[in-house]
Amino acid sequence: EAGVTQSPTHLIKTRGQQATLRCSPISGHTSVYWYQQALGLGLQFLLWYDEGEERNRGNFPPRFSGRQFPNYSSELNVNALELEDSALYLCASSSGTNTGELFFGEGSRLTVL
Amino acid sequence: DAKTTQPPSMDCAEGRAANLPCNHSTISGNEYVYWYRQIHSQGPQYIIHGLKNNETNEMASLIITEDRKSSTLILPHATLRDTAVYYCIANYNQGGKLIFGQGTELSVKP
Repeated sequence: EAGVTQSPTHLIKTRGQQATLRCSPISGHTSVYWYQQALGLGLQFLLWYDEGEERNRGNFPPRFSGRQFPNYSSELNVNALELEDSALYLCASSSGTNTGELFFGEGSRLTVL
Repeated sequence: DAKTTQPPSMDCAEGRAANLPCNHSTISGNEYVYWYRQIHSQGPQYIIHGLKNNETNEMASLIITEDRKSSTLILPHATLRDTAVYYCIANYNQGGKLIFGQGTELSVKP
């Protein structure tokens, strides 16, 4: 069974540009979570989607946005990129809302120059 | 979600048991204790979770004190591949975000 897959693995952008990161959850999982992990820092919760709806949002500016598609895959968009947005972006999925067991992908490393 | 406190780092000899402590003195009655680990530059990996009783799976054992204010993750025979940052998280098990703290960096040495 395929795990959570993320693309691209690496992405290089310049300040002011937009970045789009994609995530495919494990088959049958309806919840998708996004986390940011800047170098040397912990995982910061970004967004939680379930059944196509945004359920919760972390303390990030509105230029961080996303969506979940009918097939439960998800997209994270970061507009007006800033240098401090450089980080590993991790996506996770779970089989429902009554669980804290998350399955993480390997992440997308975004570098903003 | 209750705050958890973990030592920043620990060492363990290869083949010995690694005992990783976690303090969650403000945990509420319906919060679970979850453990994850993150090997360098990889996505975190779920290890185990529990509410009141001790739990064991193929990866580890989780010992929760009777008052539920602390817990210990036990890796019975640590290997070099267990070197990672280990996170202890208190969660209501109602979905939503998991709050990851700084975790414990475990170094397993030959």
